[in-house]
Amino acid sequence: DAGVTQSPTHLIKTRGQQVTLRCSPKSGHDTVSWYQQALGQGPQFIFQYYEEEERQRGNFPDRFSGHQFPNYSSELNVNALLLGDSALYLCASSLSGTAGTEAFFGQGTRLTVV
Amino acid sequence: EDKVVQSPLSLVVHEGDTVTLNCSYEVTNFRSLLWYKQEKKAPTFLFMLTSSGIEKKSGRLSSILDKKELFSILNITATQTGDSAIYLCAVEAGHGGATNKLIFGTGTLLAVQP
Repeated sequence: DAGVTQSPTHLIKTRGQQVTLRCSPKSGHDTVSWYQQALGQGPQFIFQYYEEEERQRGNFPDRFSGHQFPNYSSELNVNALLLGDSALYLCASSLSGTAGTEAFFGQGTRLTVV
Repeated sequence: EDKVVQSPLSLVVHEGDTVTLNCSYEVTNFRSLLWYKQEKKAPTFLFMLTSSGIEKKSGRLSSILDKKELFSILNITATQTGDSAIYLCAVEAGHGGATNKLIFGTGTLLAVQP
């Protein structure tokens, strides 16, 4: 049973460019959440997708957008990259409707903006 | 604003020592508190706590939640070098339905020396 898979594992982009990160949830999970983890910080919630819709959003600008596909996989898009967007981007999957269920994390995508 | 605070920020111990990691929170719509271990990239799940005073135990690790005082502790006994990692505390917040977002603390960096 594959866990949460993310691609790519590493990425280097230039300021102003756009980037797309991908996530496939754990088998049987229908909810995908994205987190940004800057160096030395805990993960910060970006947004959550369920039933192909954004259900919740953290304090991130509109440059951050996402999508969920019918097979529950998800993409995170960041436009007009800034140096401060350099971070580890984590995807977490879970099963909706179950209170307090743990989220399973992928290995993350390390994004470096130069 | 919701917040989760962990202490200490970092800790260096010797093998065999016992450590206690602390997590306090101020979160509206609390649903559960989770502990994760992060060694390289993907946080791995340790415990989920929803009820006060009930200790969760897994091998040398244990954790308990106090919902009145709004804190949790994670204990590790007989520490080993393999316990070296960042320990993240997260609070699940939100309403029923789809899985809710996790609010993370900054983590405690534990280094266990031989």
